[in-house]
Amino acid sequence: GAVVSQHPSRVICKSGTSVKIECRSLDFQATTMFWYRQFPKQSLMLMATSNEGSKATYEQGVEKDKFLINHASLTLSTLTVTSAHPEDSSFYICSASSISGKELGNEQFFGPGTRLTVL
Amino acid sequence: GEDVEQSLFLSVREGDSSVINCTYTDSSSTYLYWYKQEPGAGLQLLTYIFSNMDMKQDQRLTVLLNKKDKHLSLRIADTQTGDSAIYFCAERSRGFKTIFGAGTRLFVKA
Repeated sequence: GAVVSQHPSRVICKSGTSVKIECRSLDFQATTMFWYRQFPKQSLMLMATSNEGSKATYEQGVEKDKFLINHASLTLSTLTVTSAHPEDSSFYICSASSISGKELGNEQFFGPGTRLTVL
Repeated sequence: GEDVEQSLFLSVREGDSSVINCTYTDSSSTYLYWYKQEPGAGLQLLTYIFSNMDMKQDQRLTVLLNKKDKHLSLRIADTQTGDSAIYFCAERSRGFKTIFGAGTRLFVKA
């Protein structure tokens, strides 16, 4: 299957700083990328959906000013956690799809995740 | 709203079959998925089934879908210690949003 990478895999930062997480599709063009958050021993919570070249669509309850998403190219999306606080500590996972999503059967390919720890 | 539920834990002996169950609420689901997550890693798609199918087999994996009861199961034959992981059931319905269950943690005892 297609490969999606995330960088960094692990980051520790001080409270109040901003952290940028990159998600790259390595061997395909991703028209749509998704950002999920996973709490320990819990499921994935969809944070936002981003289409290349347009603004991200955020799920209810997700602060768009805190979690800035940029999908400037077909192979790269970034999630910036602004003014991070300890409660933002979590495992952030991105996924990418090569089709717009309107067709059936398109698969999401998941990145390996980024563990963010805010001190 | 859409909801996907699955049991949280399953323990089996090596060599036995594992059956992980999942129920979902959205009758307009088009695709149903099983993902595997190993500790500290992202999700790996194991298999998926179209909503107009009732069974899909892929080597040691068998997926059964009862659309009437909105029940999905994943059977792993000859379970190995390397199968120990968290297994997520997920469904996709209208649009492109995928809803995940909470995950079933599979323990395989040697």
